[in-house]
Amino acid sequence: RKEVEQDPGPFNVPEGATVAFNCTYSNSASQSFFWYRQDCRKEPKLLMSVYSSGNEDGRFTAQLNRASQYISLLIRDSKLSDSATYLCVVNTPGGGADGLTFGKGTHLIIQP
Amino acid sequence: GAGVSQSPRYKVAKRGQDVALRCDPISGHVSLFWYQQALGQGPEFLTYFQNEAQLDKSGLPSDRFFAERPEGSVSTLKIQRTQQEDSAVYLCASSLAGRVLYGYTFGSGTRLTVV
Repeated sequence: RKEVEQDPGPFNVPEGATVAFNCTYSNSASQSFFWYRQDCRKEPKLLMSVYSSGNEDGRFTAQLNRASQYISLLIRDSKLSDSATYLCVVNTPGGGADGLTFGKGTHLIIQP
Repeated sequence: GAGVSQSPRYKVAKRGQDVALRCDPISGHVSLFWYQQALGQGPEFLTYFQNEAQLDKSGLPSDRFFAERPEGSVSTLKIQRTQQEDSAVYLCASSLAGRVLYGYTFGSGTRLTVV
C-alpha cells in the first residue's frame, strides 16, 4: 500500500460548484499534513497546512481525520483559476527521509 | 535570493552523458531537499541536506546519482551516464527549520530529457 494515496481524477467541475477530495495515509505516526497546488509545468506551491481542528482559508477548507487516516480539501464557489493538480503531502518524523511524502495528486478542471 | 533558484531550466542530454543540476536555496535556509517528479506522478524524495551534511540519500535511485552541498548553501545534483528513465523534472526545495513544520519552498525545477 502506498504511503499517501489520492484519486488522480480528473475531476471535471462547473464553475461555482463545490468540490471535495480526500487523501489517505498509511503511517499512523504521521504528524504534519499539507495540501500543495501544482499548475501545469510549474513547481508545487504550498496551499495550506492541515490542522487537527480543521482550518479554513477563504474558499478552501482542510480537514484531518486521524482515526481514519485521511485528510480532505473542500473548495467552495470554484473558479476557473482553481484548475490545477492538488497534491496531498504528509510528514512522518523519523520515517527516514526526514521530509515530506507526496501523493500523486488529484487533477481538477473547472469548466466555464 | 528571494526564492529557490534552479539551473538550467531545461536540459537535453544524450544517453550516457553526465549532467549537473544546480540549486541555490533561499538565503539562510538550513534544509535542502532534492525531489524527482516523473510525468503524471507526485514528487519523489531523493536526498536531504542539513547545512553541508547529507543526512539522507535513501531516495537516490542508483549510484549514478550523486548530490553535494559543500558549503551549506548551493547544492549540485549530478547524474552520471544518464539513461532514458532519468527523464523527469528535478525539484529542489529548501526550508528554514531542520524539521519540516511549515512546508517547503520549491524552485521551478530542471526538466531533464534524455534522448
